Amino acid sequence: AQTVTQSQPEMSVQEAETVTLSCTYDTSESDYYLFWYKQPPSRQMILVIRQEAYKQQNATENRFSVNFQKAAKSFSLKISDSQLGDAAMYFCAYSRTNFGNEKLTFGTGTRLTIIP
Amino acid sequence: DTGVSQDPRHKITKRGQNVTFRCDPISEHNRLYWYRQTLGQGPEFLTYFQNEAQLEKSRLLSDRFSAERPKGSFSTLEIQRTEQGDSAMYLCASTLSNSGANVLTFGAGSRLTVL
Repeated sequence: AQTVTQSQPEMSVQEAETVTLSCTYDTSESDYYLFWYKQPPSRQMILVIRQEAYKQQNATENRFSVNFQKAAKSFSLKISDSQLGDAAMYFCAYSRTNFGNEKLTFGTGTRLTIIP
Repeated sequence: DTGVSQDPRHKITKRGQNVTFRCDPISEHNRLYWYRQTLGQGPEFLTYFQNEAQLEKSRLLSDRFSAERPKGSFSTLEIQRTEQGDSAMYLCASTLSNSGANVLTFGAGSRLTVL
């Protein structure tokens, strides 16, 4: 079974600084998807960034980028120029490909606090 | 398109009562998922539908839980004889199969408190 581990329950960063959230996962599959989702206090989960395992290039979305290390099964999220609106729970998630559905396996989350 | 809607947003009930949650997915999405999220944990998969067919159920979905999607549009999740351990946020998500993106759009959730 696939597992996702987030070892940082809480992180904080000064506004405008950079922060990196860690995620490791375990799978025997060679192709899969990895995601970072953001859950603000209103509780609606929002997709931040998505990575396809067969792509070696790290995904980037504006201030958000990932460091995907397939051999190490590591998938960290870097947030640059942190803003107050970035404060939220961040979940790392995994889904298999070629399995007929988009079922996600989530980590336990990292609560990110932005210090003004 | 207003996204994925869930109702009610918060339900407080006494142990032993039945509760029902409703999810309205994005209209063109044929796949609909239910997840449960307890405090301090990530969401856990419960079940999913493709159109009106329920294709997979988690072992977390005990026989007190039932989910339906009768016309392939909205879905309901019913919990019978609620227990305090059922207290959680119930999240609904939807997507369009074969879009190649494997991305789920989530609703804001329905929070259940069992007294």
